[in-house]
Amino acid sequence: DVKVTQSSRYLVKRTGEKVFLECVQDMDHENMFWYRQDPGLGLRLIYFSYDVKMKEKGDIPEGYSVSREKKERFSLILESASTNQTSMYLCASSLWSGANSPLHFGNGTRLTVT
Amino acid sequence: TQLLEQSPQFLSIQEGENLTVYCNSSSVFSSLQWYRQEPGEGPVLLVTVVTGGEVKKLKRLTFQFGDARKDSSLHITAAQPGDTGLYLCAGARFGNEKLTFGTGTRLTIIP
Repeated sequence: DVKVTQSSRYLVKRTGEKVFLECVQDMDHENMFWYRQDPGLGLRLIYFSYDVKMKEKGDIPEGYSVSREKKERFSLILESASTNQTSMYLCASSLWSGANSPLHFGNGTRLTVT
Repeated sequence: TQLLEQSPQFLSIQEGENLTVYCNSSSVFSSLQWYRQEPGEGPVLLVTVVTGGEVKKLKRLTFQFGDARKDSSLHITAAQPGDTGLYLCAGARFGNEKLTFGTGTRLTIIP
């Protein structure tokens, strides 16, 4: 089975801090994604990557950046955390390109910005 | 504006009852996926439907893709407590590589 591991289940940060959310997948998947999940809004795509050192903006990239230096690792960076970034963050990977490819999700990081 | 609307948003029913949840849009999708998310975990793919009118069954779960590819439904027969979770639909529009997720239906099955 594919395993997607997010380094932290819970994080509490202060406004203005730089925050790193780490995600590692163990199945050599080409594609990796970062979503945020908020009640009543479903999952919204922040950034995704189809290859090492490659990144593309999703639907809500403002306030975020990403890094993919190795195939298995995809990091989400909040340059200066704000309270409206309090949310559940989900990392996912998929084997092939295209929206039909099943997504494999990690268990999420619940971030609280105070 | 949410591209995919799911209804109902919340549903709580007794074990053994049947239920249907809906995923609707004004847009046409090339395919549609259904995921289930249990508390403390990430979503897990249940099924992908790709043909208008397609029906797929997964044990007590029946998924249907609308003829016009704008909507989908999930019917659960004889619901069990293990069916409890957040059900998410996600659609792929033609020519767009990104999935769009619905708003979710939170289902609770009462023993």
